[in-house]
Amino acid sequence: DSGVTQTPKHLITATGQRVTLRCSPRSGDLSVYWYQQSLDQGLQFLIQYYNGEERAKGNILERFSAQQFPDLHSELNLSSLELGDSALYFCASNTGTGGEQYFGPGTRLTVT
Amino acid sequence: QQQVKQSPQSLIVQKGGISIINCAYENTAFDYFPWYQQFPGKGPALLIAIRPDVSEKKEGRFTISFNKSAKQFSLHIMDSQPGDSATYFCAASVDSGGGADGLTFGKGTHLIIQP
Repeated sequence: DSGVTQTPKHLITATGQRVTLRCSPRSGDLSVYWYQQSLDQGLQFLIQYYNGEERAKGNILERFSAQQFPDLHSELNLSSLELGDSALYFCASNTGTGGEQYFGPGTRLTVT
Repeated sequence: QQQVKQSPQSLIVQKGGISIINCAYENTAFDYFPWYQQFPGKGPALLIAIRPDVSEKKEGRFTISFNKSAKQFSLHIMDSQPGDSATYFCAASVDSGGGADGLTFGKGTHLIIQP
């Protein structure tokens, strides 16, 4: 158990809808990263937050957004969902000063 | 553009043998190189990581070899066990000093250890 929690575990929704994925980092970690894992694209970095501020952006679509709240939990919002957005979404956390990132169990999103 | 290339895609090793997975990177700014292990339905778990100031790092049965001039690094699993059967990912990132940036992952190696 990495100490990173994610909810929900599974999410099934329809095209065009909007969903919110939630992540709570390990105790003491200030930085949260979001990743998408799909069969064709592999594991891709989406976005990073550090202590409430956006720090780095990866291959995140404009339809996706994220935020980190004062209690350091983070939410990833996915809107206008398409079939191709079906994937596993992971968050990871670290202290923000070191390289090691610890991954949560993921949210499996299925868009029908 | 794939910045981290991983091979092989799949690997079958006999129990007790050595499993070797290779990665090559393009971005010379990368300065942090972790390996992750992932079991089906689980999140990636950090196995071992290296920075370019050393050429080798060993933790138990797992060893990373790093060749900065060739921009290559590899994972060796000694005395491979059936419980090691999983998907392994190499990754790389730029550690800006204020904390590493997002990881760039290889495509993964599906490792099967035959009893």
